Amino acid sequence: ETGVTQTPRHLVMGMTNKKSLKCEQHLGHNAMYWYKQSAKKPLELMFVYNFKEQTENNSVPSRFSPECPNSSHLFLHLHTLQPEDSALYLCASSPRGSGSVAETQYFGPGTRLLVL
Amino acid sequence: QKEVEQNSGPLSVPEGAIASLNCTYSDRGSQSFFWYRQYSGKSPELIMFIYSNGDKEDGRFTAQLNKASQYVSLLIRDSQPSDSATYLCAVKGMDSSYKLIFGSGTRLLVRP
Repeated sequence: ETGVTQTPRHLVMGMTNKKSLKCEQHLGHNAMYWYKQSAKKPLELMFVYNFKEQTENNSVPSRFSPECPNSSHLFLHLHTLQPEDSALYLCASSPRGSGSVAETQYFGPGTRLLVL
Repeated sequence: QKEVEQNSGPLSVPEGAIASLNCTYSDRGSQSFFWYRQYSGKSPELIMFIYSNGDKEDGRFTAQLNKASQYVSLLIRDSQPSDSATYLCAVKGMDSSYKLIFGSGTRLLVRP
């Protein structure tokens, strides 16, 4: 596979469930990102990992827990979510997470999450 | 004040026309600017980026940047129905080396 992949593509969970979202990038990048996209709202950056180290936590509730075991894989562990957490969760990667003006982020297909 | 503003649309143009999408940003120190296309139910796909004042052309797409006025635009020539999508403007600021700030997007509808 090429590019950025995400699994599952769709997820329905109850508020008491625990689930995990997985992202894998095959681009040789060193920075990975989690975004949340809700209807009619801008993409919200949640977490950033650069060379496996978390460099940004954008005031995300603790019911979302990221994990980055290596530069190619990123997880988002979910527990006791709320209905308002229903959204499209997008993973992205970029080459270095550096200050280059041309550094571009590439997105995976997303996981559509519904919390009941 | 929103950091990156876009008209939500929809912007409706006939097939073959030029579609003009605009974006304004509040951080005067912003370094680079990205346009993504997002089809309904899909993830954002990079179209192009620009970081110098002026125009940058790539096929039917032209990005225009005016840092003094703090706006960036995307022109789509010879619009096709397949261009119908939401176009997201993203801005990379000076305060972070990697962080992109996204606008809410403009929905473009190209009528056959």
